[in-house]
Amino acid sequence: DTEVTQTPKHLVMGMTNKKSLKCEQHMGHRAMYWYKQKAKKPPELMFVYSYEKLSINESVPSRFSPECPNSSLLNLHLHALQPEDSALYLCASSPGVGTGNSGANVLTFGAGSRLTVL
Amino acid sequence: AQSVAQPEDQVNVAEGNPLTVKCTYSVSGNPYLFWYVQYPNRGLQFLLKYITGDNLVKGSYGFEAEFNKSQTSFHLKKPSALVSDSALYFCAVRDVADTGRRALTFGSGTRLQVQP
Repeated sequence: DTEVTQTPKHLVMGMTNKKSLKCEQHMGHRAMYWYKQKAKKPPELMFVYSYEKLSINESVPSRFSPECPNSSLLNLHLHALQPEDSALYLCASSPGVGTGNSGANVLTFGAGSRLTVL
Repeated sequence: AQSVAQPEDQVNVAEGNPLTVKCTYSVSGNPYLFWYVQYPNRGLQFLLKYITGDNLVKGSYGFEAEFNKSQTSFHLKKPSALVSDSALYFCAVRDVADTGRRALTFGSGTRLQVQP
């Protein structure tokens, strides 16, 4: 299995809702990432998990809460979002970070979850 | 600090003609360089990467890229464009001294439009 699977593909939520985005990979990768991408812009890093521990939080507002229950799963919990949070949320994974030439690792991206906040 | 520039928002080319998508980078040391492609409403797909060695890197779908250290460039090329190559292309860089703990730095993206 060489895929990263994201659910749901589309999500519409109000500003008072609580929802979650889910990401799953079975490639044995030990690093997982959340990116946010606005239309016609490059992906912006939000969070990095390395060996199930949060290693990078790029000053993301607390209304976004990541969770890595195990090495195959990554969640992004959403609460009290704003309309400007509407975007494509991309999950990615890579073999690992922080050792050797892991900087050369390729990221495998999921197809994304398109979030609309009303 | 590391950065990457894609000077063209859009590149138009006729099917069958060669294509080039430009990328220049800046790192304090040596770079790892990547090209990714994104089709509408999809995630990014890896095309190719430069780590070290041969300056000409061959990747998926007939794409290749040439690493030029003196010009700090890593342009993406294909000898004969297909309509199906129409997509958004991102160049990305990471400093070799980084062990991957920090994220890739992506360029702003170049939209490739191949006309039939």
